[in-house]
Amino acid sequence: GENVEQHPSTLSVQEGDSAVIKCTYSDSASNYFPWYKQELGKGPQLIIDIRSNVGEKKDQRIAVTLNKTAKHFSLHITETQPEDSAVYFCAASSNDYKLSFGAGTTVTVRA
Amino acid sequence: NAGVTQTPKFQVLKTGQSMTLLCAQDMNHEYMYWYRQDPGMGLRLIHYSVGEGTTAKGEVPDGYNVSRLKKQNFLLGLESAAPSQTSVYFCASSDIAGGRVETQYFGPGTRLLVL
Repeated sequence: GENVEQHPSTLSVQEGDSAVIKCTYSDSASNYFPWYKQELGKGPQLIIDIRSNVGEKKDQRIAVTLNKTAKHFSLHITETQPEDSAVYFCAASSNDYKLSFGAGTTVTVRA
Repeated sequence: NAGVTQTPKFQVLKTGQSMTLLCAQDMNHEYMYWYRQDPGMGLRLIHYSVGEGTTAKGEVPDGYNVSRLKKQNFLLGLESAAPSQTSVYFCASSDIAGGRVETQYFGPGTRLLVL
């Protein structure tokens, strides 16, 4: 099955700086890569996703890049704000209805 | 439109007790999932369903059973709870359009403590 590894497990950044989280996957058939944000005491919420037919996608301060050859994808958050503090999960799917999740990255934005 | 809701929010059980967690979605999604979340391990799939009346095993199915009698509901049962089942349980639902996996929407979670 699919194996998704996520790094780093914790990330502390100064407000206004950028944050980057990287994930690698094992199944070359994977073609859908969502990112979820989980705030304390809540369920994960989709923040951005990318499919295998594009290399980059951007939504305001958030961007995701995908390198299918190397089987890795990354989340980039620019101009970080205190409300960006949360746990972020990457995931991968090969179109069989199931997502395989990374272990999560706890992001802390210091004021 | 409530999205995905879960009942109960919190539960404390003694070892050997049974209980059922209820998940409901009002988005008419075909697919529903149960995950457990443990520290440092992300979300692991317990069971899932690709339509009313269907269920399938996920990554960590042992000790759990599920049923999908109605399209909008997905029940997770623990027949004989064990301390190892202490976790946060999330339900999710999604749809597929044109053969493509669509977004999974998650509920708020059920926090279960087994003593």
